[in-house]
Amino acid sequence: DAKTTQPPSMDCAEGRAANLPCNHSTISGNEYVYWYRQIHSQGPQYIIHGLKNNETNEMASLIITEDRKSSTLILPHATLRDTAVYYCIVRPSNTGNQFYFGTGTSLTVIP
Amino acid sequence: GAGVSQSPSNKVTEKGKDVELRCDPISGHTALYWYRQSLGQGLEFLIYFQGNSAPDKSGLPSDRFSAERTGGSVSTLTIQRTQQEDSAVYLCASAANNYGYTFGSGTRLTVV
Repeated sequence: DAKTTQPPSMDCAEGRAANLPCNHSTISGNEYVYWYRQIHSQGPQYIIHGLKNNETNEMASLIITEDRKSSTLILPHATLRDTAVYYCIVRPSNTGNQFYFGTGTSLTVIP
Repeated sequence: GAGVSQSPSNKVTEKGKDVELRCDPISGHTALYWYRQSLGQGLEFLIYFQGNSAPDKSGLPSDRFSAERTGGSVSTLTIQRTQQEDSAVYLCASAANNYGYTFGSGTRLTVV
């Protein structure tokens, strides 16, 4: 049970911001939102995670709605190398609970 | 090394043979996970190890699949009597507490 819903695919022009939405309406109070991406033929790569505050790192920004029922991953200036499948996952922060990877969003960055 | 190492990177085996896949996690990571990914599909959880606790085997698809983790470090996933439907990329990940996974590059298994 992935507990998240994402659009199956999106396109984004190179250099523009990519905004990837995720719905997690059944999220519990102790569950974090994690984002991973998987570039073709590689293992998934951690991007960012957050609980309720917006987060930013060198890769992306994570915007979580006040009710925590949805979030948006923002790649501020998409490049061709950002073409990948992006997975939104919810789980408690402590290890001991597996990540349920859904089908994710296939992002294609167009030159 | 700094990352999760998996070997072999590619394995072609005949139907009915046994295979062993190896995972070297990041040093100090107490949690280790195995997933598999069939072509064009999402990740499927197989098994999870945490320290000295009994592993969570709830994702293993059949009794032909087993895994062990020796000394809390290296893990081996064994598939006995391989079938063609076992063909997939087998991914290993390790994690420290309160943080996300680090995945290896996977072993691509092809059963012919």
